[in-house]
Amino acid sequence: DSGVTQTPKHLITATGQRVTLRCSPRSGDLSVYWYQQSLDQGLQFLIQYYNGEERAKGNILERFSAQQFPDLHSELNLSSLELGDSALYFCASSVVAGDTDTQYFGPGTRLTVL
Amino acid sequence: KNEVEQSPQNLTAQEGEFITINCSYSVGISALHWLQQHPGGGIVSLFMLSSGKKKHGRLIATINIQEKHSSLHITASHPRDSAVYICAVGGGGGADGLTFGKGTHLIIQP
Repeated sequence: DSGVTQTPKHLITATGQRVTLRCSPRSGDLSVYWYQQSLDQGLQFLIQYYNGEERAKGNILERFSAQQFPDLHSELNLSSLELGDSALYFCASSVVAGDTDTQYFGPGTRLTVL
Repeated sequence: KNEVEQSPQNLTAQEGEFITINCSYSVGISALHWLQQHPGGGIVSLFMLSSGKKKHGRLIATINIQEKHSSLHITASHPRDSAVYICAVGGGGGADGLTFGKGTHLIIQP
């Protein structure tokens, strides 16, 4: 158990809908990363927050947004969903910002868009 | 943008064999991560290294910064080592997040 929690575990929804994925980092970790894993693209970095502020952006679509709250939990909002958004969404946390710190991954949320 | 290549893509071996998985990248990095993804989907961080060599149990990771290459070795492999092993690199300062290789699917047969 990494100490990172994600809810829900599974999510099935329809095209055009909006969903929110939630992540609670390990106690004491200030940095949260969101990743998408799909069969064709593999793992891709979406966005990073550090202590409530957006720190880095990767391949995140404009239909997607995220935020980190004062209690450090983070939410990833996906809107106008398309079939191609079906994927595993992971969040990870680390103590500090930067890529030289070990990242601890949550169990993931499996999103299926029908 | 960094390109991360892993080889082999798939590897099947017998229990007890010495396993090597390779990773190469195209642009200088701040750190390289080795991750393990189990069949159920969970991802575990195995190593983070920026130089030299690290060892944890039967796992050894090495990196050659000049050659932009890293290897993950498993000694005395066991069926429970069956998983996907993923190499990921960081660009430095967190500016670009991690860039991932496509993974090596390892199966250890008893």
